[in-house]
Amino acid sequence: AQTVTQSQPEMSVQEAETVTLSCTYDTSESDYYLFWYKQPPSRQMILVIRQEAYKQQNATENRFSVNFQKAAKSFSLKISDSQLGDAAMYFCAYRTIFGNEKLTFGTGTRLTIIP
Amino acid sequence: DTAVSQTPKYLVTQMGNDKSIKCEQNLGHDTMYWYKQDSKKFLKIMFSYNNKELIINETVPNRFSPKSPDKAHLNLHINSLELGDSAVYFCASSPPLGRQETQYFGPGTRLLVL
Repeated sequence: AQTVTQSQPEMSVQEAETVTLSCTYDTSESDYYLFWYKQPPSRQMILVIRQEAYKQQNATENRFSVNFQKAAKSFSLKISDSQLGDAAMYFCAYRTIFGNEKLTFGTGTRLTIIP
Repeated sequence: DTAVSQTPKYLVTQMGNDKSIKCEQNLGHDTMYWYKQDSKKFLKIMFSYNNKELIINETVPNRFSPKSPDKAHLNLHINSLELGDSAVYFCASSPPLGRQETQYFGPGTRLLVL
């Protein structure tokens, strides 16, 4: 069974600075999808970024980018120019491409932005 | 033009009661899910339906019964509510594999059992 680990329960960063959130996962599959979701205090789960494992190029979405290291099974999220609105819980998630389509989530990292 | 909607957003009830949470998606997706987020914010799959057929049932007590009247709706009925059922329940949907595999979440339903 796949597992997802987020080893940083809490992180904080100064506004306008850069922060990196860590995620590692365990799988025996060679192809899969990885996601970062953001959950602000409103509770809504918002997709931040996604990565297909067969793509070597790291995904980017504006200020958000990932460092995907397939061999190391690592999928970290970098937030550049942090803004107050980035304050939230961030969840890393794994999804197989075959059959069972569920998302397996990590335990989350609470990100605080310091003005 | 809400993509995935849930009702109600908040539900406060007594132990032993039966309650339902409704979910609707207008994205034309084939697959819908229920996830539970516990007090420590951990999210775990409960059920998944594809075109009204149950495809995932993750060792959830049989007090929980999902029902999918059509592929745009997935409701969750809970019998004999217990204190441990207090959580946030999220509905989600996704298109078929191979076509943008992202899952889109509803706003969540916070259930409090007293």
